[in-house]
Parts: sequence; structure tokens; C-alpha cells
Amino acid sequence: QQQVKQSPQSLIVQKGGISIINCAYENTAFDYFPWYQQFPGKGPALLIAIRPDVSEKKEGRFTISFNKSAKQFSLHIMDSQPGDSATYFCAAPAGGTSYGKLTFGQGTILTVHP
Amino acid sequence: DAGVTQSPTHLIKTRGQQVTLRCSPKSGHDTVSWYQQALGQGPQFIFQYYEEEERQRGNFPDRFSGHQFPNYSSELNVNALLLGDSALYLCASSFFAYSNQPQHFGDGTRLSIL
Repeated sequence: QQQVKQSPQSLIVQKGGISIINCAYENTAFDYFPWYQQFPGKGPALLIAIRPDVSEKKEGRFTISFNKSAKQFSLHIMDSQPGDSATYFCAAPAGGTSYGKLTFGQGTILTVHP
Repeated sequence: DAGVTQSPTHLIKTRGQQVTLRCSPKSGHDTVSWYQQALGQGPQFIFQYYEEEERQRGNFPDRFSGHQFPNYSSELNVNALLLGDSALYLCASSFFAYSNQPQHFGDGTRLSIL
């Protein structure tokens, strides 16, 4: 069974700063690792996802870094804005033939102060 | 392009009752997964439906059952409700169950058990 450990639980940054959230996984079988952003009262929204054939993927201010040997991946939010304040979840597929069975981290509550 | 839609938005039930939640997938998607999200936690995988059959299942009792219709929409049924079933129930859709395609979530149904 896939286990995903996410850190930190909460993060406070100033406007314009860099937010970094880390995730570690156990199972080596994967196709992609997605990150989700969730605002209160809303469902998780797919933010960015990375596949194992790349070590980094950037979309706007959001970057995923992937370290296959360490079984870790991280989300970097550059020039953090108050509108980025939300809960962020990393996720990993269960592996093997368990397609679509995502295991989520515990979440990181990001607060960006103006 | 309509995203994933879920109904109802909120629901209040009492212990022992039964509930049915509904989900319409994003246009072009044929696979529906259901997740339970307790307050302050990441979503937990319940099961996945593809071609009107349950393909994957998480660690949930058989009080939780589902159905997928020919138009790819889906229902989640929970029988003999317990207080611990109070949670946000999320539906996610994707294309083709047998690969790890990105899953897109609806805003969920908030179920409260009294």
C-alpha cells in the first residue's frame, strides 16, 4: 500500500516569498504525482502534476521538483500571493495495477501574509 | 466545458439511515472515483467505477456501495449511517481507468450525521 508523508503541516510566508512543501512516498510504481490546491468549502483542484521521466516541471509560479532516488517530490510556489492561501495536498498512485487509486498526504495549510 | 458536478451540496441524516450521493463526470471522462475527506485530513479513496463496474476499492466496509450509469454518471450509497461517516464526499473523474490519468474533483457533498 502506498504511503505518502507530507510536510510541513502548516506554513506561513510573506507576500513575495517562496513556499516549499515536501512529500515522500514509499511505493516505487507510479505514473505521475499530482498536487492539489483546496480552498475552504471547495473540492481539491488539480494544480500541477509530474511524470517520472522528468526531474522538474514548471507552470507559472508553481514548480514540482522530483527526486526519484530519494523517493521525494516537492512543490515550490514562487512570489507567493495572499490568494495562494489554501490547503495543498500531494498524492501518489497506489502502484501496481491499482490505477486511479490515489493516496493523499495529510495536507499543508499555507497562509500568505500581505 | 462543465467540470465535475455533485449533488446535493449538503445533507443531514441521522444514524441508521441510508444516503445516496450523485456525481456527473467532467465532459470526456469515463471513469469515476469516490473519496471521503474527514475534517483536516486528506481524501481517502473509497472506490472507482469504469464501464459500469467497480474496478478498485479502498478500505471501506460494504455499507459503502456505488453504481455507474451508461452516461458515466455515478452514485455513492451508504447504508446504516454512523456518526463517523460525517465527512465531505468527493467525486473525481478521469479518462480511461487503466492508466494514471489526472483526476479532477467536484466540490463534494458535505454529509452530517446526527
